[in-house]
Amino acid sequence: DTGVSQNPRHKITKRGQNVTFRCDPISEHNRLYWYRQTLGQGPEFLTYFQNEAQLEKSRLLSDRFSAERPKGSFSTLEIQRTEQGDSAMYLCASSSSGNQPQHFGDGTRLSIL
Amino acid sequence: RKEVEQDPGPFNVPEGATVAFNCTYSNSASQSFFWYRQDCRKEPKLLMSVYSSGNEDGRFTAQLNRASQYISLLIRDSKLSDSATYLCVVNMLGNSGGSNYKLTFGKGTLLTVNP
Repeated sequence: DTGVSQNPRHKITKRGQNVTFRCDPISEHNRLYWYRQTLGQGPEFLTYFQNEAQLEKSRLLSDRFSAERPKGSFSTLEIQRTEQGDSAMYLCASSSSGNQPQHFGDGTRLSIL
Repeated sequence: RKEVEQDPGPFNVPEGATVAFNCTYSNSASQSFFWYRQDCRKEPKLLMSVYSSGNEDGRFTAQLNRASQYISLLIRDSKLSDSATYLCVVNMLGNSGGSNYKLTFGKGTLLTVNP
């Protein structure tokens, strides 16, 4: 399978805990994006990497959120001191260039107890 | 005004019906346009890109009117398998400029095709 891969698929954790998600993009794609989707809403942009450089962050990305793409391949998204409002589907996407369609992974569904 | 607005739906149609989705966007500098479909609890999947000249893919036709900042999707002869949420998506230059783009999604319109 050469699509975008995300893990874990589901994460349930208690409020206040830290969580980390991983995304492996399509191998030839140098652009990687993170989105968050809550029920009844479309995905909302969080951050974007071109190779290893994080080029843009949304205002939605509070200082509890950090994303990395250290070698320009896979990326991680970490949420520290989780809050109930962080419960959402976290989607990763990749593309070969900025103006091309993005292809999404299956997402990580986060539930905060 | 929201950056991308879609028909709120939901739409319930019988098999074989023709259904149209409408979408408007606020940023006239938007660069490219797409329709994605999303099944319940699944990731969005690209349905088709949208071009100014209009484009067709089987039963699906997409139109873009840049002057009116309006995008549409027409589904003819709808099938049960077309039941999904349809997301209007606009690709805009990000704040960091250059060739950095980000997708902005509408809320989506839920379509249910009934037997």
